[in-house]
Amino acid sequence: EDQVTQSPEALRLQEGESSSLNCSYTVSGLRGLFWYRQDPGKGPEFLFTLYSAGEEKEKERLKATLTKKESFLHITAPKPEDSATYLCAVHRQTGANNLFFGTGTRLTVIP
Amino acid sequence: NAGVTQTPKFRILKIGQSMTLQCTQDMNHNYMYWYRQDPGMGLKLIYYSVGAGITDKGEVPNGYNVSRSTTEDFPLRLELAAPSQTSVYFCASRPVGAFRSYNSPLHFGNGTRLTVT
Repeated sequence: EDQVTQSPEALRLQEGESSSLNCSYTVSGLRGLFWYRQDPGKGPEFLFTLYSAGEEKEKERLKATLTKKESFLHITAPKPEDSATYLCAVHRQTGANNLFFGTGTRLTVIP
Repeated sequence: NAGVTQTPKFRILKIGQSMTLQCTQDMNHNYMYWYRQDPGMGLKLIYYSVGAGITDKGEVPNGYNVSRSTTEDFPLRLELAAPSQTSVYFCASRPVGAFRSYNSPLHFGNGTRLTVT
């Protein structure tokens, strides 16, 4: 059965304390993996798409990496404004209804 | 460009009432989606549409209906509201047609928070 699991559920970091969020997946025929950021009371906002193992994407303090079984979202020297819920979603090959979301990691960065 | 606009932002319904959640996008995207988001659960797909006049069920369609008469609008109808439909509802859209556009990211609205009591 296709699954997407994100860990940890919640993470508290001091400002400047780097860490990583994990997204583990089992899907038949991965077409792509997405990372989104969601602020309270808002819709998810797109961050990255990764297509194949070994690929990396960067944006400011965020770097996303992909292996055959998982993706990591590395946060370097986070700031309080990085506090949000980070969602991972995988796109599998079969059908139009083929995007699976994880439950997210709620990140809090303390000044 | 307003992107994806959802109305209302909040609504409280009594059990058995009906309502329509509105969604409109101004990006000329052909694919549109309705998701619900519950605490501790990932986004669950309710219905989707690949173009005007074409809709299909997602993972959790029971209790909902949709229509897509134009490219811009994709309303979600709740008939006979139940407490289990208390949730945050997100509408999303994406363009499909160019190279690798099957992987084009979703653009989300800011949601409608619905409470059924």
